[in-house]
Amino acid sequence: AQSVSQHNHHVILSEAASLELGCNYSYGGTVNLFWYVQYPGQHLQLLLKYFSGDPLVKGIKGFEAEFIKSKFSFNLRKPSVQWSDTAEYFCAVNARANAGKSTFGDGTTLTVKP
Amino acid sequence: NAGVTQTPKFQVLKTGQSMTLQCAQDMNHNSMYWYRQDPGMGLRLIYYSASEGTTDKGEVPNGYNVSRLNKREFSLRLESAAPSQTSVYFCASTPRTGAYEQYFGPGTRLTVT
Repeated sequence: AQSVSQHNHHVILSEAASLELGCNYSYGGTVNLFWYVQYPGQHLQLLLKYFSGDPLVKGIKGFEAEFIKSKFSFNLRKPSVQWSDTAEYFCAVNARANAGKSTFGDGTTLTVKP
Repeated sequence: NAGVTQTPKFQVLKTGQSMTLQCAQDMNHNSMYWYRQDPGMGLRLIYYSASEGTTDKGEVPNGYNVSRLNKREFSLRLESAAPSQTSVYFCASTPRTGAYEQYFGPGTRLTVT
């Protein structure tokens, strides 16, 4: 069975600080990886995804993530956060052999102080 | 193009009451999903429908039933609501199962007293 672990439950940063949110997954086969964001009062939307190819993927709003296969990790980064990045962030894994069902991490709440 | 829509947005039920949450998508997607979101627990899959005419259990199916009414619509029914079903429910869809991101609806906040 696939599982996802997000290391930080709540992160508080000041504007312009750099961000790294950890995500590790557990699955031995080929996976697809996602980061979703949920702004306050809104539904989840895709930040970025990795299917294959370049392990460094870029998403919307200046976010990027790096897939490190040997570490089963897919950490999310942003060089300089803004107040508008305050949201909840979810990492998700989708195993190709698992009928496309996604497993989500517990989420990380990011608060950016102006 | 509305994407994924859900009704109602909010609902309060008494223990033992029943209700159906509605979900529809206008993206011609084959696969649809129901999740519940609880604080600190991420999203957990309740049921999914890989294609019209098929449904399968997810991680937490107990107490729920689903109907894939047609390609567009996928409803979730609580036959006898319990306080443990207080949650936010999200519907999602993908073109088909596999390497696709999910498109989410706005959610239904359900409280069972």
